[in-house]
Amino acid sequence: QKEVEQNSGPLSVPEGAIASLNCTYSDRGSQSFFWYRQYSGKSPELIMFIYSNGDKEDGRFTAQLNKASQYVSLLIRDSQPSDSATYLCAVNRDNTDKLIFGTGTRLQVFP
Amino acid sequence: SQTIHQWPATLVQPVGSPLSLECTVEGTSNPNLYWYRQAAGRGLQLLFYSVGIGQISSEVPQNLSASRPQDRQFILSSKKLLLSDSGFYLCAWCPWGEKLFFGSGTQLSVL
Repeated sequence: QKEVEQNSGPLSVPEGAIASLNCTYSDRGSQSFFWYRQYSGKSPELIMFIYSNGDKEDGRFTAQLNKASQYVSLLIRDSQPSDSATYLCAVNRDNTDKLIFGTGTRLQVFP
Repeated sequence: SQTIHQWPATLVQPVGSPLSLECTVEGTSNPNLYWYRQAAGRGLQLLFYSVGIGQISSEVPQNLSASRPQDRQFILSSKKLLLSDSGFYLCAWCPWGEKLFFGSGTQLSVL
């Protein structure tokens, strides 16, 4: 079992729709959860982080965490073509600052 | 301001040649520094991390090594490159808390 799993996609959504990206992790000791956006050929950019169960909202982005189910998700409201990228889920290992990344989900937002 | 610099952006090297990638940070002291690699179609893999000068931890056995000769300098090296060393190399740091930020990356092609 991979430590962090994501569906590779692509996930295709129309402009203005809600994109839902999902991630599961195996280490129950993980306490910190991150979402990165990576455009093709560029380095990952941190867009959201969450530490507690529940929802965390920042602009059009909402991160959701369920530690009991070992599940993290990212919702993008009012999706724009500029949101088209690969989204990486990351989880800290053994309650350290070392992050383990999923392979990413490619999101395509079409006009 | 706190920034991370990584160079070169692109590198093409023949098999068996040496490698040296450099990463420097500004704006903070004694940061945790990391080298990640992203192979084509694969997730980000943690290669090395460092908590201070001369302190290097290797995450996976490989053909690469890392050094931290100064507080804000982190170097990734190889004596003889293999084809399998090709990939996108990313230096990263945690300037505060557990949030990981990446440099611009080096796309290495070993031919």
